[in-house]
Amino acid sequence: DAGITQSPRHKVTETGTPVTLRCHQTENHRYMYWYRQDPGHGLRLIHYSYGVKDTDKGEVSDGYSVSRSKTEDFLLTLESATSSQTSVYFCAISPSGQGNGYTFGSGTRLTVV
Amino acid sequence: GEDVEQSLFLSVREGDSSVINCTYTDSSSTYLYWYKQEPGAGLQLLTYIFSNMDMKQDQRLTVLLNKKDKHLSLRIADTQTGDSAIYFCAELTSNTDKLIFGTGTRLQVFP
Repeated sequence: DAGITQSPRHKVTETGTPVTLRCHQTENHRYMYWYRQDPGHGLRLIHYSYGVKDTDKGEVSDGYSVSRSKTEDFLLTLESATSSQTSVYFCAISPSGQGNGYTFGSGTRLTVV
Repeated sequence: GEDVEQSLFLSVREGDSSVINCTYTDSSSTYLYWYKQEPGAGLQLLTYIFSNMDMKQDQRLTVLLNKKDKHLSLRIADTQTGDSAIYFCAELTSNTDKLIFGTGTRLQVFP
């Protein structure tokens, strides 16, 4: 999607290893979000940010941490990956958090073996 | 609490209308959205409706909102094979800046 890039697109990692996913935006939007998508669960919010160094937990935040040291980058870290964290991870951005919805990245498919 | 539900599958013939339904539980929702996800891609915003509206039409798409029953629907007229995708409804509640998504409905269009 224009203005938002996720990296890597695919990753396979071993249980117990740390993993960092990156979301980069060029829109200068204030809000950034990390979701995970799993069959039967739709999208569930992991963490979100409403400004540089301002973050908050979502509904499935256990086992994840985030950082936002500058407006354009929002990092999601799995401190010690588990098989239950195998999922597709989506980043989203929004200028205001309301009204005009979110713009989503193309996703990162993470497999923990 | 916040809970958004959708049926998992819908199959329609090309040229027919599709109706995808969604129910939500938070009466303070301010905006409700429909997103489309094609295979291997992220979510794309289709349309949204403000909570004080009953209906919104945008070309082949019609959104109906029944606030009393907390029911949202998306009608796609003249459904095409290119409409095959997963459709998510989502709600934004008044005191948050977070979207809560439903489980998604997989729409399959057959010739």
